[in-house]
Amino acid sequence: AQTVTQSQPEMSVQEAETVTLSCTYDTSENNYYLFWYKQPPSRQMILVIRQEAYKQQNATENRFSVNFQKAAKSFSLKISDSQLGDTAMYFCAFMKPRGGEYGNKLVFGAGTILRVKS
Amino acid sequence: DVKVTQSSRYLVKRTGEKVFLECVQDMDHENMFWYRQDPGLGLRLIYFSYDVKMKEKGDIPEGYSVSREKKERFSLILESASTNQTSMYLCASSQSRGKAFFGQGTRLTVV
Repeated sequence: AQTVTQSQPEMSVQEAETVTLSCTYDTSENNYYLFWYKQPPSRQMILVIRQEAYKQQNATENRFSVNFQKAAKSFSLKISDSQLGDTAMYFCAFMKPRGGEYGNKLVFGAGTILRVKS
Repeated sequence: DVKVTQSSRYLVKRTGEKVFLECVQDMDHENMFWYRQDPGLGLRLIYFSYDVKMKEKGDIPEGYSVSREKKERFSLILESASTNQTSMYLCASSQSRGKAFFGQGTRLTVV
């Protein structure tokens, strides 16, 4: 079974600084997808960034980037120039494409609460 | 605009009641998911479905069942609600390679 581990329950960062959230996962698969989702106080889950395992290049979306280390099964999220609006719970997630055991199953970590301070 | 709609935002039910949580998506997605979210535990998968009438157990299916008679609708059923099922319930849908879209969540309280 696939598992996703986020070892940092809470983090804080000063506005305009950079912060990195950690995520590790366990799988025997070679092809899969990884995601970071954000859940602000409104509770609405929002996709931040997506990585395809067969792509070596790290995904980037504006101030958000990932460090994907496939061999180490590590998928960290870096937020640059942190803003107050980045305050939220961040979840790392894993999905295996259709086919075989656990195909299409979307699994989440326990989450990291990020607080951006002014 | 894409949408996943959950039937209720807040719900209060009595112990032993049968509870239905409904979720509808308008994106023709093949996959639909039900999670419960509890502090410190993240999102735990209850059930998911990859096609009409197809369902798979997630990590915590005990005490729950699901129904997917139409592609756009995925229902979560608590056959006999108990207080330990008090939680936030999130529905999501996705394509197999794509991002998941979430509903606004249902905060269920069982008294």
